[in-house]
Amino acid sequence: GDSVTQMEGPVTLSEEAFLTINCTYTATGYPSLFWYVQYPGEGLQLLLKATKADDKGSNKGFEATYRKETTSFHLEKGSVQVSDSAVYFCALPSGGYNKLIFGAGTRLAVHP
Amino acid sequence: ETGVTQSPTHLIKTRGQQVTLRCSSQSGHNTVSWYQQALGQGPQFIFQYYREEENGRGNFPPRFSGLQFPNYSSELNVNALELDDSALYLCASSSPSGQATDTQYFGPGTRLTVL
Repeated sequence: GDSVTQMEGPVTLSEEAFLTINCTYTATGYPSLFWYVQYPGEGLQLLLKATKADDKGSNKGFEATYRKETTSFHLEKGSVQVSDSAVYFCALPSGGYNKLIFGAGTRLAVHP
Repeated sequence: ETGVTQSPTHLIKTRGQQVTLRCSSQSGHNTVSWYQQALGQGPQFIFQYYREEENGRGNFPPRFSGLQFPNYSSELNVNALELDDSALYLCASSSPSGQATDTQYFGPGTRLTVL
């Protein structure tokens, strides 16, 4: 079945460091791919998405490119801020009704 | 545009009790999905409602049930609560366009604690 695998956290970085959070997937066909972010004590917010191969989603300085060849959708940011501290989830829709399948999440902690 | 709202924010119940959680979908969205997020884990799909009918279900027992109303708001009901039901319950709304690219927008969640 469809699945998402994320790199394990926590990831701890200093402010202005470069961020990469790895995400690989297994899916039938070529589904859209999503990154959601969850700040402490809150629900999920859509961070970015890509709908087809080679698409690049971007938002708030974060980017991710849909790589069909490597079945990956890695999240990157060139310079993280303390306010980026959160849990990041990679997800894809599955089934005819587009239920989202999530990775286990990667916790990011950014220190000043 | 009003986003997805959920109530209550927090809830404490005891084993064996029943609970109802509520969700109002984002304006213009006719599909509501419910997810359970246990502590430290990713959300797990419970079920989805589209135009007042259950449209798909995850691997949850029948004591998890739901409703969708004509205004597309939704309820999640859980009977015979167990300790493992303690989790953050997330509601997400979307507006199917016939393509598999529909984005789901999440509410803030209801934190359920079962004692």
